[in-house]
Amino acid sequence: QQQVKQSPQSLIVQKGGISIINCAYENTAFDYFPWYQQFPGKGPALLIAIRPDVSEKKEGRFTISFNKSAKQFSLHIMDSQPGDSATYFCAAGAGNMLTFGGGTRLMVKP
Amino acid sequence: DTEVTQTPKHLVMGMTNKKSLKCEQHMGHRAMYWYKQKAKKPPELMFVYSYEKLSINESVPSRFSPECPNSSLLNLHLHALQPEDSALYLCASSQDLTNEKLFFGSGTQLSVL
Repeated sequence: QQQVKQSPQSLIVQKGGISIINCAYENTAFDYFPWYQQFPGKGPALLIAIRPDVSEKKEGRFTISFNKSAKQFSLHIMDSQPGDSATYFCAAGAGNMLTFGGGTRLMVKP
Repeated sequence: DTEVTQTPKHLVMGMTNKKSLKCEQHMGHRAMYWYKQKAKKPPELMFVYSYEKLSINESVPSRFSPECPNSSLLNLHLHALQPEDSALYLCASSQDLTNEKLFFGSGTQLSVL
Protein backbone atom coordinates (compact mmCIF):
# COMPACT_ATOMS: atom_id res chain seq x y z
CA GLN A 1 0.00 0.00 0.00
CA GLN A 2 1.22 3.47 -0.83
CA GLN A 3 2.40 5.25 2.31
CA VAL A 4 3.45 8.67 3.41
CA LYS A 5 5.18 8.73 6.77
CA GLN A 6 5.03 11.95 8.76
CA SER A 7 6.97 12.99 11.85
CA PRO A 8 6.80 14.10 14.56
CA GLN A 9 3.26 13.27 15.69
CA SER A 10 3.27 16.32 17.94
CA LEU A 11 5.45 19.37 18.25
CA ILE A 12 5.70 22.19 20.76
CA VAL A 13 7.50 25.36 19.69
CA GLN A 14 7.99 28.70 21.38
CA LYS A 15 6.60 31.79 19.72
CA GLY A 16 9.09 33.10 17.19
CA GLY A 17 10.76 29.73 16.77
CA ILE A 18 10.99 27.49 13.71
CA SER A 19 8.60 24.56 13.35
CA ILE A 20 9.84 21.68 11.20
CA ILE A 21 7.68 18.76 10.08
CA ASN A 22 9.04 15.95 7.94
CA CYS A 23 7.50 13.49 5.50
CA ALA A 24 8.83 10.55 3.55
CA TYR A 25 7.19 8.71 0.69
CA GLU A 26 7.79 5.49 -1.18
CA ASN A 27 6.05 5.73 -4.52
CA THR A 28 8.19 7.47 -7.13
CA ALA A 29 5.07 8.07 -9.23
CA PHE A 30 4.00 10.82 -6.84
CA ASP A 31 4.39 14.21 -8.51
CA TYR A 32 2.52 16.60 -6.24
CA PHE A 33 3.30 17.28 -2.58
CA PRO A 34 0.91 19.55 -0.68
CA TRP A 35 0.70 20.52 2.95
CA TYR A 36 -2.67 21.03 4.59
CA GLN A 37 -3.46 22.91 7.80
CA GLN A 38 -6.46 21.88 9.86
CA PHE A 39 -7.94 23.71 12.85
CA PRO A 40 -10.30 21.92 15.26
CA GLY A 41 -13.80 21.63 13.83
CA LYS A 42 -12.68 22.70 10.36
CA GLY A 43 -11.71 20.94 7.18
CA PRO A 44 -8.12 20.86 5.94
CA ALA A 45 -7.00 23.92 4.02
CA LEU A 46 -4.22 23.87 1.44
CA LEU A 47 -1.22 25.73 2.82
CA ILE A 48 1.51 25.26 0.22
CA ALA A 49 2.43 22.67 -2.39
CA ILE A 50 5.48 21.68 -4.44
CA ARG A 51 6.27 19.58 -7.48
CA PRO A 52 9.43 17.45 -7.77
CA ASP A 53 11.09 19.69 -10.34
CA VAL A 54 12.04 22.22 -7.65
CA SER A 55 13.86 21.71 -4.36
CA GLU A 56 12.30 24.54 -2.39
CA LYS A 57 9.22 26.72 -2.39
CA LYS A 58 8.54 29.62 -0.07
CA GLU A 59 5.29 31.42 0.63
CA GLY A 60 5.51 33.96 3.41
CA ARG A 61 6.61 32.21 6.59
CA PHE A 62 6.04 28.74 5.11
CA THR A 63 8.71 26.85 3.15
CA ILE A 64 8.70 23.40 1.62
CA SER A 65 12.04 21.69 1.14
CA PHE A 66 12.02 18.74 -1.23
CA ASN A 67 14.70 16.04 -1.64
CA LYS A 68 13.76 13.87 -4.60
CA SER A 69 16.64 11.40 -4.24
CA ALA A 70 15.83 10.77 -0.57
CA LYS A 71 12.07 10.80 -1.24
CA GLN A 72 11.58 13.25 1.58
CA PHE A 73 10.01 16.65 1.98
CA SER A 74 9.52 18.97 4.89
CA LEU A 75 7.56 22.01 6.00
CA HIS A 76 9.34 24.83 7.79
CA ILE A 77 7.30 27.48 9.60
CA MET A 78 9.45 30.48 10.37
CA ASP A 79 8.63 32.88 13.22
CA SER A 80 5.95 30.48 14.49
CA GLN A 81 2.91 32.17 16.04
CA PRO A 82 0.24 30.90 18.46
CA GLY A 83 -2.24 31.21 15.58
CA ASP A 84 -0.25 28.53 13.75
CA SER A 85 -1.31 25.98 16.37
CA ALA A 86 -3.14 23.36 14.33
CA THR A 87 -2.74 19.91 12.84
CA TYR A 88 -0.62 19.73 9.71
CA PHE A 89 -0.92 16.98 7.13
CA CYS A 90 1.53 16.33 4.34
CA ALA A 91 0.28 14.48 1.31
CA ALA A 92 1.60 13.02 -1.89
CA GLY A 93 -0.36 12.84 -5.09
CA ALA A 94 -0.42 11.16 -8.45
CA GLY A 95 -3.13 12.65 -10.62
CA ASN A 96 -5.82 13.80 -8.23
CA MET A 97 -5.39 10.93 -5.77
CA LEU A 98 -3.81 12.10 -2.53
CA THR A 99 -2.21 9.92 0.11
CA PHE A 100 -2.04 11.74 3.44
CA GLY A 101 0.57 11.48 6.14
CA GLY A 102 -0.53 10.75 9.69
CA GLY A 103 -0.55 14.38 10.80
CA THR A 104 1.42 16.56 13.22
CA ARG A 105 -0.24 18.47 16.03
CA LEU A 106 1.66 21.72 16.41
CA MET A 107 1.35 23.87 19.51
CA VAL A 108 3.06 27.26 19.53
CA LYS A 109 3.46 28.59 23.06
CA PRO A 110 3.22 32.35 23.62
CA ASP B 1 -16.74 32.26 -3.80
CA THR B 2 -14.09 29.71 -2.80
CA GLU B 3 -16.20 27.87 -0.26
CA VAL B 4 -17.43 24.35 0.04
CA THR B 5 -20.50 24.40 2.28
CA GLN B 6 -21.56 21.35 4.24
CA THR B 7 -24.77 20.81 6.19
CA PRO B 8 -25.52 19.94 8.87
CA LYS B 9 -22.45 20.78 10.94
CA HIS B 10 -23.39 18.20 13.55
CA LEU B 11 -25.59 15.12 13.33
CA VAL B 12 -26.58 12.53 15.90
CA MET B 13 -28.41 9.48 14.62
CA GLY B 14 -29.47 6.08 15.79
CA MET B 15 -28.46 2.89 14.03
CA THR B 16 -31.90 2.52 12.44
CA ASN B 17 -32.17 6.09 11.18
CA LYS B 18 -31.84 7.37 7.63
CA LYS B 19 -30.15 10.71 7.20
CA SER B 20 -28.36 12.67 4.50
CA LEU B 21 -25.31 14.89 4.44
CA LYS B 22 -25.23 17.73 1.95
CA CYS B 23 -22.39 19.53 0.22
CA GLU B 24 -22.50 22.50 -2.12
CA GLN B 25 -19.91 24.46 -4.09
CA HIS B 26 -20.26 27.30 -6.58
CA MET B 27 -16.72 27.40 -7.91
CA GLY B 28 -17.62 25.58 -11.11
CA HIS B 29 -15.63 22.57 -9.99
CA ARG B 30 -16.46 19.32 -11.79
CA ALA B 31 -14.86 16.88 -9.35
CA MET B 32 -16.30 16.33 -5.88
CA TYR B 33 -15.18 14.05 -3.09
CA TRP B 34 -16.32 12.51 0.17
CA TYR B 35 -13.73 11.86 2.86
CA LYS B 36 -14.08 10.31 6.31
CA GLN B 37 -11.85 11.52 9.13
CA LYS B 38 -11.58 9.85 12.52
CA ALA B 39 -10.21 11.83 15.44
CA LYS B 40 -6.46 12.48 15.24
CA LYS B 41 -6.24 10.67 11.90
CA PRO B 42 -5.83 11.88 8.31
CA PRO B 43 -8.79 12.05 5.94
CA GLU B 44 -9.63 8.81 4.14
CA LEU B 45 -11.10 8.93 0.65
CA MET B 46 -14.56 7.40 0.25
CA PHE B 47 -15.97 8.49 -3.10
CA VAL B 48 -15.02 10.62 -6.09
CA TYR B 49 -17.46 12.12 -8.58
CA SER B 50 -16.36 13.53 -11.91
CA TYR B 51 -18.86 15.43 -14.04
CA GLU B 52 -21.68 14.09 -11.84
CA LYS B 53 -20.66 10.47 -12.40
CA LEU B 54 -19.20 8.21 -9.74
CA SER B 55 -15.54 7.75 -10.60
CA ILE B 56 -14.11 6.09 -7.52
CA ASN B 57 -15.63 4.07 -4.69
CA GLU B 58 -12.97 3.10 -2.18
CA SER B 59 -14.76 -0.11 -1.17
CA VAL B 60 -17.16 1.78 1.08
CA PRO B 61 -19.97 -0.24 2.72
CA SER B 62 -23.35 0.06 1.05
CA ARG B 63 -24.83 1.75 4.13
CA PHE B 64 -23.17 4.86 2.66
CA SER B 65 -24.79 5.93 -0.61
CA PRO B 66 -23.47 8.95 -2.51
CA GLU B 67 -25.46 11.03 -4.94
CA CYS B 68 -24.50 13.91 -7.21
CA PRO B 69 -27.74 15.59 -8.40
CA ASN B 70 -25.90 18.32 -10.33
CA SER B 71 -22.48 19.86 -10.73
CA SER B 72 -22.82 21.96 -7.56
CA LEU B 73 -24.31 19.46 -5.15
CA LEU B 74 -23.12 16.27 -3.53
CA ASN B 75 -25.09 14.21 -1.04
CA LEU B 76 -24.19 11.29 1.17
CA HIS B 77 -27.16 9.17 2.24
CA LEU B 78 -26.74 7.24 5.46
CA HIS B 79 -28.71 4.18 6.54
CA ALA B 80 -28.22 1.57 9.22
CA LEU B 81 -24.91 2.99 10.37
CA GLN B 82 -22.78 1.51 13.12
CA PRO B 83 -21.23 3.36 16.07
CA GLU B 84 -17.80 2.93 14.47
CA ASP B 85 -19.02 5.10 11.59
CA SER B 86 -18.93 8.09 13.92
CA ALA B 87 -16.46 10.53 12.38
CA LEU B 88 -16.05 13.87 10.65
CA TYR B 89 -17.31 13.59 7.09
CA LEU B 90 -15.59 16.00 4.75
CA CYS B 91 -16.65 17.08 1.30
CA ALA B 92 -14.07 18.47 -1.10
CA SER B 93 -13.99 19.72 -4.65
CA SER B 94 -11.41 20.36 -7.33
CA GLN B 95 -11.54 21.97 -10.74
CA ASP B 96 -11.54 18.52 -12.32
CA LEU B 97 -9.73 15.20 -11.94
CA THR B 98 -6.55 16.61 -13.50
CA ASN B 99 -6.27 19.38 -10.91
CA GLU B 100 -4.97 18.24 -7.55
CA LYS B 101 -5.87 21.36 -5.58
CA LEU B 102 -8.62 20.31 -3.21
CA PHE B 103 -10.97 22.68 -1.42
CA PHE B 104 -12.44 21.12 1.70
CA GLY B 105 -15.62 21.99 3.52
CA SER B 106 -15.75 22.23 7.31
CA GLY B 107 -17.33 18.83 7.56
CA THR B 108 -20.25 17.19 9.31
CA GLN B 109 -19.44 15.73 12.73
CA LEU B 110 -21.50 12.54 12.85
CA SER B 111 -22.26 10.58 15.98
CA VAL B 112 -23.99 7.21 15.68
CA LEU B 113 -25.61 5.98 18.87
